[in-house]
Amino acid sequence: EAGVAQSPRYKIIEKRQSVAFWCNPISGHATLYWYQQILGQGPKLLIQFQNNGVVDDSQLPKDRFSAERLKGVDSTLKIQPAKLEDSAVYLCASSFLTNEKLFFGSGTQLSVL
Amino acid sequence: SQQGEEDPQALSIQEGENATMNCSYKTSINNLQWYRQNSGRGLVHLILIRSNEREKHSGRLRVTLDTSKKSSSLLITASRAADTASYFCATDLSGGSYIPTFGRGTSLIVHP
Repeated sequence: EAGVAQSPRYKIIEKRQSVAFWCNPISGHATLYWYQQILGQGPKLLIQFQNNGVVDDSQLPKDRFSAERLKGVDSTLKIQPAKLEDSAVYLCASSFLTNEKLFFGSGTQLSVL
Repeated sequence: SQQGEEDPQALSIQEGENATMNCSYKTSINNLQWYRQNSGRGLVHLILIRSNEREKHSGRLRVTLDTSKKSSSLLITASRAADTASYFCATDLSGGSYIPTFGRGTSLIVHP
């Protein structure tokens, strides 16, 4: 089966610019996650969707980050405006059900200069 | 906040040796999962162990769970250079929505 697809693979922007990441989960997976992973740390959950509804977004910096999941399938994560501390790898994951294993995409490596 | 914390932060061994890493957590869980991450890539699921299970095996991997001590261990037997990676445990928060939370990970280096 096809895995979780993410794009772009790499992105370099200047601070205060905007950026968007895209994720296509595995077909049939109801739950979709966005994680931020700063170098040397573990992934931190930004937002969790169940179909097109938000389960948890308590750690999403809502003044600059936004996310949506169109029709309960694809998802986009946007940062506007970006800060230096947003430099990280942004990982998308999906699972068939909650409480089951996660399948991760390869991530988008963001560098904010 | 991070629910699970791995120990040690870094581990360096020779090929053929066993590698053991531990995960401690703070609150009751429904299940605990272990993942591997090779440099620059996404995480790969290794094993899921539920709160009513005490031990699971998958190939050269052995995971134990002690809910009374709120801890889990991952044992890799007969390690190979290809096992070099970071290993993370992920726990949920029982009693509510399932929100998988990762620790900081253990960086394992296996020398050929």
